[in-house]
Amino acid sequence: AQTVTQSQPEMSVQEAETVTLSCTYDTSESDYYLFWYKQPPSRQMILVIRQEAYKQQNATENRFSVNFQKAAKSFSLKISDSQLGDAAMYFCAYRVTSGSRLTFGEGTQLTVNP
Amino acid sequence: DSGVTQTPKHLITATGQRVTLRCSPRSGDLSVYWYQQSLDQGLQFLIQYYNGEERAKGNILERFSAQQFPDLHSELNLSSLELGDSALYFCASSVDPYPTDYYGYTFGSGTRLTVV
Repeated sequence: AQTVTQSQPEMSVQEAETVTLSCTYDTSESDYYLFWYKQPPSRQMILVIRQEAYKQQNATENRFSVNFQKAAKSFSLKISDSQLGDAAMYFCAYRVTSGSRLTFGEGTQLTVNP
Repeated sequence: DSGVTQTPKHLITATGQRVTLRCSPRSGDLSVYWYQQSLDQGLQFLIQYYNGEERAKGNILERFSAQQFPDLHSELNLSSLELGDSALYFCASSVDPYPTDYYGYTFGSGTRLTVV
């Protein structure tokens, strides 16, 4: 069974600084997607970034980038120039390409200090 | 507004009762997914419907059932409710049974169920 682990229940960062959230996963599949979702106090699940396992290049979306280490089964999220609006719960998630269900990690609560 | 509509937003009910949560998918989406977010279990997949048919099943209790209607809206029925069923229940939708576009899913804003 696939599992996703986020070992940092809470993280904090100063506004304008950089923070990295960690995620590891376990799977025997070779073709899958990895995601980072953001859940602000509004509860809405918002996709931050997606990585296809077959791509060696790390995904980037504006201030958000990932460090995808397939052999190590590691998928970290780096947030640059942190903003107050980045404060939220962040979930790492996995989905096999041929499947539909998302498997989520436990989440990391990110606080951004002014 | 994500386009996925969940009602009600909040629900408070007593143990042993039955409730129905409703989800209207984004326009054009044929697949509906239900997820439960609780303090104990985290976020976990419950069930998926595609164009009216059950497509995939996750950790859904026998006391829970779901269906997707011809107009594609879906309902999640929770019966014999227990305190541990208190959670945020998310609905999501996608066009395909196996989401292929970048966003994959579109999530609703959830129904907060409190069992007292």
